[in-house]
Amino acid sequence: NAGVTQTPKFQVLKTGQSMTLQCAQDMNHEYMSWYRQDPGMGLRLIHYSVGAGITDQGEVPNGYNVSRSTTEDFPLRLLSAAPSQTSVYFCASSDRTGPPNTEAFFGQGTRLTVV
Amino acid sequence: GENVEQHPSTLSVQEGDSAVIKCTYSDSASNYFPWYKQELGKRPQLIIDIRSNVGEKKDQRIAVTLNKTAKHFSLHITETQPEDSAVYFCAANRPLYNFNKFYFGSGTKLNVKP
Repeated sequence: NAGVTQTPKFQVLKTGQSMTLQCAQDMNHEYMSWYRQDPGMGLRLIHYSVGAGITDQGEVPNGYNVSRSTTEDFPLRLLSAAPSQTSVYFCASSDRTGPPNTEAFFGQGTRLTVV
Repeated sequence: GENVEQHPSTLSVQEGDSAVIKCTYSDSASNYFPWYKQELGKRPQLIIDIRSNVGEKKDQRIAVTLNKTAKHFSLHITETQPEDSAVYFCAANRPLYNFNKFYFGSGTKLNVKP
């Protein structure tokens, strides 16, 4: 059971370039989300999805797009990378039924540097 | 919306001592409070959680307490070991329509000195 898998693990982009961070889960979770982690700021929610075809914005959505065509996959797109998007990105999934099945399972993270 | 504050930001203890990390939250609708441990370069992983109908929960050397009236919860680690060194995050989970939304604290870097 792989859990949540993110690719790539590291990425360097030039300002203005676009890229997609991939996230896949094999736990049949309906909820998936993307966070960014910056020093001293914890994990901040970028976008989330409650199921295939349904997405919504989190706390810091600007500069990012998402889509959810299948239950398993939830890619995050940066359309025009900016240095302010330098961060570590985590994808997470969780069960929709609530406690006691609310645990968020995280991917291994993507360290993105925009120069 | 919910606001989770976590203190201290860094904590250094001697091996064998206890460590306490505290979090406060603002939204009384939050009903689930997990704690995550993140080792250097790795993903956050759940170490213990507590639901709003419980005041305390223990799992070997770690325990979590919740005071709903004061809206604060704490992580207690006893007999600390060097492998406890990591960043710890608290979170509050607030049901939001059809989504369980997590709000994370800013993290505490725990250093256990051998």
